[in-house]
Amino acid sequence: ETGVTQTPRHLVMGMTNKKSLKCEQHLGHNAMYWYKQSAKKPLELMFVYNFKEQTENNSVPSRFSPECPNSSHLFLHLHTLQPEDSALYLCASSQVGLAPYNEQFFGPGTRLTVL
Amino acid sequence: DQQVKQNSPSLSVQEGRISILNCDYTNSMFDYFLWYKKYPAEGPTFLISISSIKDKNEDGRFTVFLNKSAKHLSLHIVPSQPGDSAVYFCAASASGGGADGLTFGKGTHLIIQP
Repeated sequence: ETGVTQTPRHLVMGMTNKKSLKCEQHLGHNAMYWYKQSAKKPLELMFVYNFKEQTENNSVPSRFSPECPNSSHLFLHLHTLQPEDSALYLCASSQVGLAPYNEQFFGPGTRLTVL
Repeated sequence: DQQVKQNSPSLSVQEGRISILNCDYTNSMFDYFLWYKKYPAEGPTFLISISSIKDKNEDGRFTVFLNKSAKHLSLHIVPSQPGDSAVYFCAASASGGGADGLTFGKGTHLIIQP
């Protein structure tokens, strides 16, 4: 595997389900990110992890719970979601402190549908 | 309020001609700007970037221009090729090299016509 991978690519879940999105980066980076892209809206930052420590939570509802067990893996745990949470969820990674600054590499995304 | 704006949702350009995609920003703290390209069913792919200490950066057919006083940047693609048809996102960062989420525009769908 190369680059940034995300699983699953597609997910359909009910509002009472619990599911997790997985992201893995094979680039040796030390920062990882979750973004959300809803229809007709720009990509929105959700969470930032720098050296496994969460450094930013962009006012995301608690029904989204991130986990970063090491610098290569990032999870997004989902529970009691709402239909308006249906979106494309993108993971990215970057190497902090190394120019070009903040060039983030993205995975293909998980298309989430909440019924 | 959007801090990064791409006011053209779509742009159609003839193959071989120049494509110019525009982006405006409002946050004076942004010090690094990036352009990403996205095909359907794929994640955004980094294309080119520019630091706020420069006004131009060139990489092959792609050139990015930055006008700090106008808070405006543009991406020039010349000559345009059919494979350039994609959605282009402008993004900005205020991290100065640290871990910082990017602020994105809504994107411009570029269509290259044969």
